[in-house]
Amino acid sequence: DIVMTQTPLSLSVAIGQSASISCKSSQSLKYRDGKTYLHWVFQSPGQSPKRLIYQVSKLDSGVPDRFSGTGSETDFTLKISRVEAEDLGVYYCCQGSYSPWTFGGGTKLELK
Amino acid sequence: EVKLEESGGGLVQPGMSVKLSCATSGFTFSDYWMEWVRQAPGKGLEWVAEIRNRANNYATYYGRSVKGRFTISRDDSKSLVYLQVDSIRSEDTGIYYCTSGWFAYWGQGTLVTVSS
Repeated sequence: DIVMTQTPLSLSVAIGQSASISCKSSQSLKYRDGKTYLHWVFQSPGQSPKRLIYQVSKLDSGVPDRFSGTGSETDFTLKISRVEAEDLGVYYCCQGSYSPWTFGGGTKLELK
Repeated sequence: EVKLEESGGGLVQPGMSVKLSCATSGFTFSDYWMEWVRQAPGKGLEWVAEIRNRANNYATYYGRSVKGRFTISRDDSKSLVYLQVDSIRSEDTGIYYCTSGWFAYWGQGTLVTVSS
């Protein structure tokens, strides 16, 4: 199974600052069709998860452009510029390239 | 509007069975692969099962920790997906989410608590 490793485990930021989360996979996520099925999912406290970004860098509908995703092969990054209060919660990367799909352990974004 | 609504959770004794359901609407259910993802209390997300669509022969896949005990199924005529959980264990306690579209759509989850 592909292991997804996220760092840091938690991140304290002030409103208006930027935040960056790293996700590394144990093997390349580039599928034979040339696409990379690395997604970012966000969960605010007490809520269901919500996908923010799919295939590394494509924003889901309604996701503000303060969010961006970059990376390739095994190294990926989620960046949030100008953090807002509604962004506080847990972020997970997950891979959908090779079954079984796997999630990273999560990164908790907290208020400084 | 896409909607997924799980049901069937509750308090279950160890060794017993429970069947979870997920009712969907707002998308062409029969085209989509459907997943179950669970979350133990205070823990992260764990993918547990998938059922693919008719074009992929309704193939099913399971996470290592649940293989042999969980069975996923679907009813395209009713836009429903199910998760049968047998020989339930304390470590199966958690919120079970139904999700689809490569994790684009999620339900609100149903809580399963395993305790005697």
